[in-house]
Amino acid sequence: DTAVSQTPKYLVTQMGNDKSIKCEQNLGHDTMYWYKQDSKKFLKIMFSYNNKELIINETVPNRFSPKSPDKAHLNLHINSLELGDSAVYFCASSPGTGVSNEQFFGPGTRLTVL
Amino acid sequence: AQSVTQPDIHITVSEGASLELRCNYSYGATPYLFWYVQSPGQGLQLLLKYFSGDTLVQGIKGFEAEFKRSQSSFNLRKPSVHWSDAAEYFCAVGAAGYSSASKIIFGSGTRLSIRP
Repeated sequence: DTAVSQTPKYLVTQMGNDKSIKCEQNLGHDTMYWYKQDSKKFLKIMFSYNNKELIINETVPNRFSPKSPDKAHLNLHINSLELGDSAVYFCASSPGTGVSNEQFFGPGTRLTVL
Repeated sequence: AQSVTQPDIHITVSEGASLELRCNYSYGATPYLFWYVQSPGQGLQLLLKYFSGDTLVQGIKGFEAEFKRSQSSFNLRKPSVHWSDAAEYFCAVGAAGYSSASKIIFGSGTRLSIRP
């Protein structure tokens, strides 16, 4: 049973397109996250939701819009894709918002913008 | 501001040899510290964490780490590496945020290669 799953695993698209990445967790966690890992492996948080409410919104272009239809799902929609958006995007979940909570990561979505 | 430094970008050790991966952090209060491992093409998996108490913490897969406040370090160690340990290793510090929002700040990672 996959704990945190993401679809698609790979996404290749043209500049200017709009795309979505989906994330689902079956761990019963309240908190979910999106991270971006760049080509140098640097991992940075983008957003966090707790019980469908946005609680962390880092300095991310507003072309990126997360949506949480329920606490088991956190999707990421990206408008007007740019070359610099190419990266691996990881979804994660944790039981709660406290920093002591272990985060469980999905396998990642490799986005390539041509 | 909180930060994590992993000074070694890439380390190669022989199978069976001991390993130490370095991590230094910058944080004003008592830090929450983590080590994660990322195997090729996979997500991150938690190896171990330190919040308080005994400064030597044991993790999964035979790894341990030692918190040294005076050196602001949290180095990861393993007495004898296996070929399956080849991966990217990330040190991270947990930063308590405003209201209920807390986040983890990751270092830039150390890639570990194993020589047969």
